Amino acid sequence: EVQLLESGGGLVQPGGSLRLSCAASGFTFTNYAMTWVRQVPGKGLEWVSAISASGATTYYADSVKGRFTISRDNSKNTLYLQMNSLRAEDTAVYFCAKDRTMMNLYYFDYWGQGSLVTVSS
Amino acid sequence: DIEMTQSLATLPVSPGERVTLSCRASQSISTNLAWYQRKPGQTPRLLIYGASTRATAIPARFSGTGSGTNFTLTISSLQSEDFGVYFCQQYNNWPLTFGGGTKVEI
Repeated sequence: EVQLLESGGGLVQPGGSLRLSCAASGFTFTNYAMTWVRQVPGKGLEWVSAISASGATTYYADSVKGRFTISRDNSKNTLYLQMNSLRAEDTAVYFCAKDRTMMNLYYFDYWGQGSLVTVSS
Repeated sequence: DIEMTQSLATLPVSPGERVTLSCRASQSISTNLAWYQRKPGQTPRLLIYGASTRATAIPARFSGTGSGTNFTLTISSLQSEDFGVYFCQQYNNWPLTFGGGTKVEI
């Protein structure tokens, strides 16, 4: 059974940092691209960042470029999102999700339950 | 960025009805479109990819059509378990973008 379990969320002051983790199991992690998507409560989904299966290629939304870094440790079956210089508008539930295919197509068949990040003083 | 527009925020329906949801892209995305369903407290469920291919274990009552900029998700006969929010996602261009969602409710 595929499972994605996010952790690392919490309350942080503006300008602070957090690192989200997404522990994956039930599939061959190294074969699949992964992504982070966020949702402000009551609003729609916003794509944040994605990483290819190998980790060689990364993509970012303009809203987080230069502040967030996506990475993966294929030996640990874990996806990360390092978030620096956090702003109030980064407050959201952050989801990790798995690409459906092994071809880096970037649509997603499994999602985690989400980790809440609150940026507030 | 490609903007994905789902024109209806809420769609009141009854079980057994045929439901048609729309999603429009601000520029052509070929057939690089996915549809998801999300229910309260659950993670999104992939329904359709490639605009018209049902994902694994998705019932045949769900179907998707369209290409270019206009896409439709149809539920041929709505079941009680189908209530929830439906949203589309384009994966033709970076950044990936999602529609705002349509809530299918009683």
